[in-house]
Amino acid sequence: QKEVEQDPGPLSVPEGAIVSLNCTYSNSAFQYFMWYRQYSRKGPELLMYTYSSGNKEDGRFTAQVDKSSKYISLFIRDSQPSDSATYLCAMRPFSGGYNKLIFGAGTRLAVHP
Amino acid sequence: GAVVSQHPSRVICKSGTSVKIECRSLDFQATTMFWYRQFPKKSLMLMATSNEGSKATYEQGVEKDKFLINHASLTLSTLTVTSAHPEDSSFYICSAPPTLQETQYFGPGTRLLVL
Repeated sequence: QKEVEQDPGPLSVPEGAIVSLNCTYSNSAFQYFMWYRQYSRKGPELLMYTYSSGNKEDGRFTAQVDKSSKYISLFIRDSQPSDSATYLCAMRPFSGGYNKLIFGAGTRLAVHP
Repeated sequence: GAVVSQHPSRVICKSGTSVKIECRSLDFQATTMFWYRQFPKKSLMLMATSNEGSKATYEQGVEKDKFLINHASLTLSTLTVTSAHPEDSSFYICSAPPTLQETQYFGPGTRLLVL
């Protein structure tokens, strides 16, 4: 079993839809959770970062962490064609200076007009 | 957010030659940088952790003599692919966490094609 599971998709939605992207994990020590967006042939771009459980909102994006269920989500409201990309979840435990991230496989999202 | 650059963005070389890729943190210092490799439509594969002033730590299965890493300063790490072969063709990406921050910022990536 992988430490982080993420459905690779592809996920295709119409413009304006609410998108839900999810990851599950097995390591209860994970404390820091991130979502990255990666366009084709580009480096990943940090979208959201949360610590421990709870919600965080930034514009059209909302990140949720449920540590009891070992489940994290990224919601995209009013999705746009420009949101078409691969979304990677990443996480790491709290361990002083140790900051190697564990990534999910990435979910490919296509928003069509 | 913090900015990480990579150079070159794309390189084509002949089999047997060595290629150096630079990773720079432009507006912050990073005692640690990470090097990843990514195949088409696949996730990131961590190759090694670059540590300023000390030896790099390589992930299992990554040849340290093949992929030489030097972290010369708090803003620069280099990855040298030695005696490159066509199977080394890939997308190489670096990342860096600003000191005392938990997040990582990625460079734009370097596309290597070995003929």
